[in-house]
Amino acid sequence: ETGVTQTPRHLVMGMTNKKSLKCEQHLGHNAMYWYKQSAKKPLELMFVYSLEERVENNSVPSRFSPECPNSSHLFLHLHTLQPEDSALYLCASSPITGAGYNEQFFGPGTRLTVL
Amino acid sequence: GESVGLHLPTLSVQEGDNSIINCAYSNSASDYFIWYKQESGKGPQFIIDIRSNMDKRQGQRVTVLLNKTVKHLSLQIAATQPGDSAVYFCAENTGADSSNTGKLIFGQGTTLQVKP
Repeated sequence: ETGVTQTPRHLVMGMTNKKSLKCEQHLGHNAMYWYKQSAKKPLELMFVYSLEERVENNSVPSRFSPECPNSSHLFLHLHTLQPEDSALYLCASSPITGAGYNEQFFGPGTRLTVL
Repeated sequence: GESVGLHLPTLSVQEGDNSIINCAYSNSASDYFIWYKQESGKGPQFIIDIRSNMDKRQGQRVTVLLNKTVKHLSLQIAATQPGDSAVYFCAENTGADSSNTGKLIFGQGTTLQVKP
């Protein structure tokens, strides 16, 4: 285990539903990330939080709303999603060293299916 | 924009043989590189990393080679085992930004299939 947990592991939702993905890290890291992994595409960085402050938002649609209440927890709130949002959503965490050489530790992901 | 790519989407090797997985990157400013392994149903798992001031780094059964001249990265796995079957991603770090988190840019991945 990497020390990063994600719940739920699988989620099926309709386009009008509202759901949330949860990530928790037990590594004492100060940076957390959301990635989207679609079939046959590279991992896409969605959001980055550093010391609970959002520092990166990679042109992600507003139907995805992140929340980082503390350095150990990260949420991704979902509403009015589209079928093309179906993917594996990965959470990662890393220490902040100041040098940028930061290995990221990944959770197992949430497999999201939007009907 | 910058991208990190792998030469082959799938690599099939015989158990016991050595595997070489290649990756090309385009950002000459990248100074840190990581190889990740992703097994089915799991998130990416760190294998080995290398900084741009090195050409080679060895781990347990794995070696990463970095050729900055041609912007090429490779992962060598010695005596490949069935448990090595997975998707392998290279990632480049474009250096520390103001948040000091360091963004990773991932390649598309190579699927390694190990034949018994």
